[in-house]
Amino acid sequence: QKEVEQNSGPLSVPEGAIASLNCTYSDRVSQSFFWYRQYSGKSPELIMSIYSNGDKEDGRFTAQLNKASQYVSLLIRDSQPSDSATYLCALEGTGGFKTIFGAGTRLFVKA
Amino acid sequence: GVTQSPTHLIKTRGQQVTLRCSSQSGHNTVSWYQQALGQGPQFIFQYYREEENGRGNFPPRFSGLQFPNDSSELNVNALELDDSALYLCASSLGSTGGSLNYGYTFGSGTRLTVV
Repeated sequence: QKEVEQNSGPLSVPEGAIASLNCTYSDRVSQSFFWYRQYSGKSPELIMSIYSNGDKEDGRFTAQLNKASQYVSLLIRDSQPSDSATYLCALEGTGGFKTIFGAGTRLFVKA
Repeated sequence: GVTQSPTHLIKTRGQQVTLRCSSQSGHNTVSWYQQALGQGPQFIFQYYREEENGRGNFPPRFSGLQFPNDSSELNVNALELDDSALYLCASSLGSTGGSLNYGYTFGSGTRLTVV
């Protein structure tokens, strides 16, 4: 089982819709969870971090964490074409600050 | 921010390469990742206060250094075709444990092509 699993997509949503990205993980001791956005040909950019169960909102982005079920999700409200990118789920691995990444979900927002 | 050099590099199989990174001001931890096309970044190793703080599943021909000014190098010996990838340097403010992980700031990466 991979440590961090994401649906590779592509996920296609119309402009203005809610995009829902999901991620499951296997390491029960992970405490820090992240979503990074990566545009084609660019490096990843941190967009959200979440550390406790529940929802965390930042503008159009909401991260959701459920440690009992070992999943973390990202909702993007009012999706814009500029949100089209690959979204990487990541978590702090066992033993410190090593961050483990999923393979990413490609999101396309159609104008 | 985090700066990496060079941006692109073409090397021949068997050669050696050194990639460089300058961390974000105030950050004391640097991590290196390899990202193959269509894949997520794979952890190579991390340095904290000039010492290796963790290593991923990469062979010993991948080695690194962190300098007192928090700049860092990634060295790869005996290059193989499969080493062709985007190499990412990520800086963060952290320690060996107990502190909250605030996430990484990535550099723009070095695209390495081995022919």
